[in-house]
Amino acid sequence: RKEVEQDPGPFNVPEGATVAFNCTYSNSASQSFFWYRQDCRKEPKLLMSVYSSGNEDGRFTAQLNRASQYISLLIRDSKLSDSATYLCVVRPQGQNFVFGPGTRLSVLP
Amino acid sequence: NAGVTQTPKFQVLKTGQSMTLQCAQDMNHNSMYWYRQDPGMGLRLIYYSASEGTTDKGEVPNGYNVSRLNKREFSLRLESAAPSQTSVYFCASSSTGTEQPQHFGDGTRLSIL
Repeated sequence: RKEVEQDPGPFNVPEGATVAFNCTYSNSASQSFFWYRQDCRKEPKLLMSVYSSGNEDGRFTAQLNRASQYISLLIRDSKLSDSATYLCVVRPQGQNFVFGPGTRLSVLP
Repeated sequence: NAGVTQTPKFQVLKTGQSMTLQCAQDMNHNSMYWYRQDPGMGLRLIYYSASEGTTDKGEVPNGYNVSRLNKREFSLRLESAAPSQTSVYFCASSSTGTEQPQHFGDGTRLSIL
């Protein structure tokens, strides 16, 4: 089983739609969690850290469920500019970052 | 706000040639990393440096060497390039603390013929 798993997609959604991505991780010692976005042929960029109580940044909401070992990202009112690959990243205590394979999102006009 | 700067952005090499990819960060981060990204493979860690003066192997270190020249700079060297090393290479840095995220450079696209 891979350490971090994501649905590869692609998710094709119309503008204005709400879309949710899930990510599961296998290492119960994982302590820190992040969502990155990566545009085609560009570097990964931090979208948001994920906190235990859940957190929101504008149209983006991240949730963490430690008991079930999964993280989610909800995007509301999708924009064309949201089209990208979304990477789930976990970091166990004292270890390096572990990247998921990414979920590709295409927002269609 | 330069962040993480990588050079060169593009490079074409012949099999057997050597080259060094340069990375520098201006965020006073302790940790630096080198990744490669191939289609369908995701990001794979080549080497990392938890702090100035230390380097450690990651998931795919074979064929590479690194140098942490100082706190700012972390270089990746291919001594004898092979076609299997054709990839996009990303350098990243992070501050101390498990909760601190990584920040990436904009990548080096390397093709080996």
